[in-house]
Amino acid sequence: EIVLTQSPDTLALSPGERATLSCRASQSVSSSYLAWYQQKPGQAPRLLIYGASYRATGTPDRFSGTGSGTDFTLTISRLEPEDCAVYYCQQFGASPPEFTFGPGTKVHLK
Amino acid sequence: QAQLVQSGAEVKRPGAAVKVSCRASGYTFSKYDIIWVRQAPGQGLEWVGWINIGNGNTVYSKNFQDRVTITRDTSATVTYMQLSSLRPEDTAVYSCARLVVTQRPFSPDFFRYMDVWGRGTTVIVSS
Repeated sequence: EIVLTQSPDTLALSPGERATLSCRASQSVSSSYLAWYQQKPGQAPRLLIYGASYRATGTPDRFSGTGSGTDFTLTISRLEPEDCAVYYCQQFGASPPEFTFGPGTKVHLK
Repeated sequence: QAQLVQSGAEVKRPGAAVKVSCRASGYTFSKYDIIWVRQAPGQGLEWVGWINIGNGNTVYSKNFQDRVTITRDTSATVTYMQLSSLRPEDTAVYSCARLVVTQRPFSPDFFRYMDVWGRGTTVIVSS
């Protein structure tokens, strides 16, 4: 079973600052199967990034994803107030088939 | 546009079962599998199970596999998630999501991700 670890737990930044969120897997993950979701309070998760680096429809270009193997990163180039949310990484493991989420990183304004 | 509409909140006694529905609209139901996820209060996302809409095959998280049953009604474009032998720690929001499987450009690999989510169904287990 693959375990995803996210860091930091919480990130406090000022508007316009760069946010760097990390997702580390306990073993190598196919980048095709790595996604990032944003969740605001009381709302369903929203897909931001799939395939580790592909922006989903409607995802602003200030969001970018990179990484491969066991280390993945979500970057928000210039934080906007509406970006305050919890961000989850998620992977699909093919053998055995399973979906795994990281514990999340909460981003809020300083 | 594609949409997943879930059934309303439930309150159950410990030991009971709950059945949550997820109705799909705005897309061809048979072309996308459905994933179920839950989120306990103040906690993160936890995968519950997965149903292949085409053939009805299911895969369950080992954390739930002896208590969960996911089914679908293709004529009604509805997916159901039933969880039995409920415990207070099953109190959570249960959500369905559409699974996209699409080929990566210039590669034999396939992307897999959840692009449309239901708003969630609150299940409270309390005596």
